[in-house]
Amino acid sequence: EIVMTQSPATLSVSPGERATLSCRASQSVSSNLAWYQQKPGQAPRLLIYGAFTRASGIPARFSGSGSGTEFALTISSLQSEDFAVYYCQHFTNWPLTFGGGTKVEIK
Amino acid sequence: EVQLVESGGALVQPGGSLRLSCAASGFTFVSYDMSWVRQAPGKGLEWVSAISHNGGTTYADSVQGRFTISRDNSKYTLYLQMSSLRAEDTAIYYCVKVPGGHWYFDLWGRGTLVTVSS
Repeated sequence: EIVMTQSPATLSVSPGERATLSCRASQSVSSNLAWYQQKPGQAPRLLIYGAFTRASGIPARFSGSGSGTEFALTISSLQSEDFAVYYCQHFTNWPLTFGGGTKVEIK
Repeated sequence: EVQLVESGGALVQPGGSLRLSCAASGFTFVSYDMSWVRQAPGKGLEWVSAISHNGGTTYADSVQGRFTISRDNSKYTLYLQMSSLRAEDTAIYYCVKVPGGHWYFDLWGRGTLVTVSS
């Protein structure tokens, strides 16, 4: 099983600032990596797939990078609606696994 | 409107059974792979089971032999039959759609809560 590790667990950021979230895979997942955003009381929403491709309707301030075992999600200028929990997920093989999440909170 | 609507969540005793349903609309259900993902209270996301558009299935080790995923393409409905339920199965269960070719999830339902407790 591929273990996905996200860091930090919590990121405190001021509105308008840049945020960078990390996701590490225990073995190479190539570019088979997705990012999701989850707000309290809501289902997750797909942000990024294929490591760097934005899903439909996702603002350009969200960008993904990386390949192999090291990935990042960058939010270029945090808006109030971006404060949420973010998860990465690999889809290289079975079982599919998620990272533990990074909570982005208001500083 | 493209959506997934889960139902069937309930309070059930340990060892009991439950069947979840997911009604799909707004897309050609028969053409897409589908899956279930769960989230225990206050915890992260855990993939549970998947079914391809032509019926092939796979399961997480934690539910293998206890859960069965199925689909009725004529009814645009996905199912999860759960048996021998344990306290650790307590979670919100999300029905999710796979966009095609790769197993990430582009559409999520709102989820249905399963509570396993005596």
